[in-house]
Amino acid sequence: GQNIDQPTEMTATEGAIVQINCTYQTSGFNGLFWYQQHAGEAPTFLSYNVLDGLEEKGRFSSFLSRSKGYSYLLLKELQMKDSASYLCAVSPNTGRRALTFGSGTRLQVQP
Amino acid sequence: NAGVMQNPRHLVRRRGQEARLRCSPMKGHSHVYWYRQLPEEGLKFMVYLQKENIIDESGMPKERFSAEFPKEGPSILRIQQVVRGDSAAYFCASSPLGGGSNTEAFFGQGTRLTVV
Repeated sequence: GQNIDQPTEMTATEGAIVQINCTYQTSGFNGLFWYQQHAGEAPTFLSYNVLDGLEEKGRFSSFLSRSKGYSYLLLKELQMKDSASYLCAVSPNTGRRALTFGSGTRLQVQP
Repeated sequence: NAGVMQNPRHLVRRRGQEARLRCSPMKGHSHVYWYRQLPEEGLKFMVYLQKENIIDESGMPKERFSAEFPKEGPSILRIQQVVRGDSAAYFCASSPLGGGSNTEAFFGQGTRLTVV
């Protein structure tokens, strides 16, 4: 089975940096996705990590430690439009399964 | 290249009626996934299909729910005899490769089902 944990809610200030953590326990692991979802909209792809380490993409970076079952999403220079839910999802190492999502972290950016 | 298209965007059904949700994957994508999202919760996997095949339906309730992805036309998620607990957002995602690949899945805008 698979178990994915992330904080339910976070609050941060415009212009600041925020780190959203995700821990997972899984019987088969290929990689980890992060998606952003604004209220009432579809999830949109942010990043995918397969190897250990930090991947940077503009204001967003994602980190993975396979040995620790741990990932984080780092958002820099926060903007009001970054207020959304951030979903951590595990990709299986078998071709017969889909992504398993965490419950999501709702980020509120305040002025 | 149009994205994943779902329709209808909003669907209201009375208890006991049937709900039929449609999903047209992105062009060139042959793998379709259906997820259900309850308010304030994450996405729960329901079923994974390829053309004319159900690959994994382990997340779909055994009764009242069915899914298909015919050779021609969209994928259909069918819910028979709907109950209030079926009220949720149903998202469809498609990818060119199957589960376990490093290919991102693209999501549709979802169908919000309300059972009254």
